[in-house]
Amino acid sequence: GESVGLHLPTLSVQEGDNSIINCAYSNSASDYFIWYKQESGKGPQFIIDIRSNMDKRQGQRVTVLLNKTVKHLSLQIAATQPGDSAVYFCAENRSSASKIIFGSGTRLSIRP
Amino acid sequence: NAGVMQNPRHLVRRRGQEARLRCSPMKGHSHVYWYRQLPEEGLKFMVYLQKENIIDESGMPKERFSAEFPKEGPSILRIQQVVRGDSAAYFCASSPGTGGDIQYFGAGTRLSVL
Repeated sequence: GESVGLHLPTLSVQEGDNSIINCAYSNSASDYFIWYKQESGKGPQFIIDIRSNMDKRQGQRVTVLLNKTVKHLSLQIAATQPGDSAVYFCAENRSSASKIIFGSGTRLSIRP
Repeated sequence: NAGVMQNPRHLVRRRGQEARLRCSPMKGHSHVYWYRQLPEEGLKFMVYLQKENIIDESGMPKERFSAEFPKEGPSILRIQQVVRGDSAAYFCASSPGTGGDIQYFGAGTRLSVL
């Protein structure tokens, strides 16, 4: 069956360091991937997306890498700040489908 | 440009009562999606609607749950005869199109069933 999963449930990072959050997916038909950030008590907030015809995309302090060979997705956050503390979800949305399939999430905590 | 608006933010119901959750999409968005999130879990798709049409309800429980998106007014997720297992956060998202369009989420409604 299709699934989008994460390698680690929690990640602790020193403030100022870079964070790398990983995600694996199993459906070869997936062609659109999204990273969402969810802070406590709030809804998911769009961070960045990438389509399957790309292997890298950069935003402000964030980079998403896509490796279709091993079905792996990662989110890199540069110079992690306290405000980056949240749960991060990778998600899949196929162009032919409507629903987003979410992974279980990685909780990112920042050490001062 | 206001984001996706959901109300109420918190809803408490006793077992057997009805719960009505409302969602107003972002301006210019005609596609609405409902998701459910249990504590410490990811969001699970429930239903996708366009104005006056249910497009995909593959994630909706077969009984007690219904959704609508009328021509005028917000989208409504309705849960009849609530049970304790319905306690969760319910999120609505909207997008200008579908299939590869970014979905923007509201702040959610947290339903507690006593």
